[in-house]
Amino acid sequence: KAGVTQTPRYLIKTRGQQVTLSCSPISGHRSVSWYQQTPGQGLQFLFEYFSETQRNKGNFPGRFSGRQFSNSRSEMNVSTLELGDSALYLCASSSSQPGETQYFGPGTRLLVL
Amino acid sequence: AQSVTQPDIHITVSEGASLELRCNYSYGATPYLFWYVQSPGQGLQLLLKYFSGDTLVQGIKGFEAEFKRSQSSFNLRKPSVHWSDAAEYFCAVGDGGGSNYKLTFGKGTLLTVNP
Repeated sequence: KAGVTQTPRYLIKTRGQQVTLSCSPISGHRSVSWYQQTPGQGLQFLFEYFSETQRNKGNFPGRFSGRQFSNSRSEMNVSTLELGDSALYLCASSSSQPGETQYFGPGTRLLVL
Repeated sequence: AQSVTQPDIHITVSEGASLELRCNYSYGATPYLFWYVQSPGQGLQLLLKYFSGDTLVQGIKGFEAEFKRSQSSFNLRKPSVHWSDAAEYFCAVGDGGGSNYKLTFGKGTLLTVNP
């Protein structure tokens, strides 16, 4: 089975712009979670989607949003980018049950200038 | 609130030496526990996980971890480290039930391996 894929791998944006990141889960997985990784804050949970519905959300401002499509692919969007949004954004997929292993993609490295 | 503590930010060991990475968690119920490894520029790779049962779990690449409820710990061990083990290691707890499930990670331990 192919693993979790994320596109693009690298992105450079300027403050005030918006960005959309994409994640394709492992085939058959219906849950997609997003995490932000920064040197200062470490790995932080953004949100989780299951069957096209946001099931759980972390403590991030409303500028961070996401969605999931019927084929389980997910996108996350960040509007009005700030310098502090520079981070590695990781997507993880799992089957559906809480406690099931989350498998991570390689991440998208976002740099905001 | 649930939390994960990895007391060691950076550990240096010699190739062939044994390794133990510490992880302490705070969680009310029996947790789901994980160890992930991240190489530079890469995503997270699962090393092993604990859900229930035998408290000593075996993982990939010769790693093992022991769940100790009394100490709220889930330490990762390897008897003989290889240069390719140099990476950052993250302990995580899966918390929340049902629709609130998510992973909470420790800050990570960076492992350097000397030849």
